[in-house]
Amino acid sequence: EAQVTQNPRYLITVTGKKLTVTCSQNMNHEYMSWYRQDPGLGLRQIYYSMNVEVTDKGDVPEGYKVSRKEKRNFPLILESPSPNQTSLYFCASSHPGDTQYFGPGTRLTVL
Amino acid sequence: DAKTTQPPSMDCAEGRAANLPCNHSTISGNEYVYWYRQIHSQGPQYIIHGLKNNETNEMASLIITEDRKSSTLILPHATLRDTAVYYCIVRPPGTGANSKLTFGKGITLSVRP
Repeated sequence: EAQVTQNPRYLITVTGKKLTVTCSQNMNHEYMSWYRQDPGLGLRQIYYSMNVEVTDKGDVPEGYKVSRKEKRNFPLILESPSPNQTSLYFCASSHPGDTQYFGPGTRLTVL
Repeated sequence: DAKTTQPPSMDCAEGRAANLPCNHSTISGNEYVYWYRQIHSQGPQYIIHGLKNNETNEMASLIITEDRKSSTLILPHATLRDTAVYYCIVRPPGTGANSKLTFGKGITLSVRP
């Protein structure tokens, strides 16, 4: 089944403790992206990647890092999480310029 | 990016057609209209997209006016599982930064038994 998976689905952590949210897709998509969703602000793009080793900032990249060492994986890294990064995170993937497919989401709480 | 305007909410009876409107009066000639929906904090789900012509797939139909300034998503036989937030998105062609989807507030569709 074609899908985008994210892990973990739920995470509660404390300020400053580094964490990684994984994203993997099995559709051989070149393009991958991370969004965060907050009440009243909609979905906002954090980072995106056009292909392996090619990443770029979205609208709200501060406090996040990404890497794209393999085509199928696009992890989101929070080196020193803060409470304002408490949010619902979604990974998406597509062929360039094509329809994007989203993962199930990761709900992160930073205390 | 062209902005879209949607009513905040609407409801319809189960089994009836749900017609969800969207205004995009500043759309450019090469921008597509996409519809996604999000069911209770799940990942957004692609429904349909179009450029100029009306489109239909197994989920819905998309009607785009001739001047392309508005569109309507039609769910022909709404079920309770169609209760969700529906997002109308205008997106330019191309890749890179143009691949970003700009989600507005969407319209909350409530399907009543």
